[in-house]
Amino acid sequence: EIVMTQSPATLSVSPGERATLSCRASQSVSSDLAWYQQKPGQAPRLLIYGAFIRATDVPVRFSGSRSGTEFTLTISGLQSDDFAVYYCQQYHNWWTFGQGTKVEI
Amino acid sequence: VQLVESGGFVVQPGGSLRLSCAASGFTFNDYAMGWVRQSPGRGLEWVSLITRDGDTYYADSVKGRITISRDNSRHSVFLQMDSLRADDTALYYCAKDGSNGYFEDWGQGTLVSVSS
Repeated sequence: EIVMTQSPATLSVSPGERATLSCRASQSVSSDLAWYQQKPGQAPRLLIYGAFIRATDVPVRFSGSRSGTEFTLTISGLQSDDFAVYYCQQYHNWWTFGQGTKVEI
Repeated sequence: VQLVESGGFVVQPGGSLRLSCAASGFTFNDYAMGWVRQSPGRGLEWVSLITRDGDTYYADSVKGRITISRDNSRHSVFLQMDSLRADDTALYYCAKDGSNGYFEDWGQGTLVSVSS
């Protein structure tokens, strides 16, 4: 099983700042990596797939990148609506999620 | 796209439940469908997936106890859950595959509680 490890568990950021979230795969997943946003009481929302492709209607301040088995979600100019929990997920070999990063004020 | 789950309930350990997901707004036959669960206060856990051709996949934690199926004529996907355990307690989400393994649309979830 491919294990996805996200860091940090919690990220404290001020509105307008940049947030950088990390996700590491235990083995190669190529670029088969997605990012989701989940707000309290809501279902997850797809943000990024293919490591860096924004899903429909996702603002450009969300961007994804890859370096080997390390993946990064960057949120530029955090807005109040962005404070949430973010999960990465690999779909290269079956499907596994990371444990999540909470972005808080 | 709309995905509406139903069937969640309180059940005793060892009991059974059948979850349903009614889909609309897309060509159901063309997409794989999955189930993802979230235990209270915890993260997301992939549970099962069924391809558009009917191939099925299960997480090790549920293999042998859960069966996924689909009815293309009814635009629905099902999760038959048997021999339920306390650690199956979770909100179960139905999700539409984005044609490559990520989940591009999600329902609001149905709650399964396993307790004596």
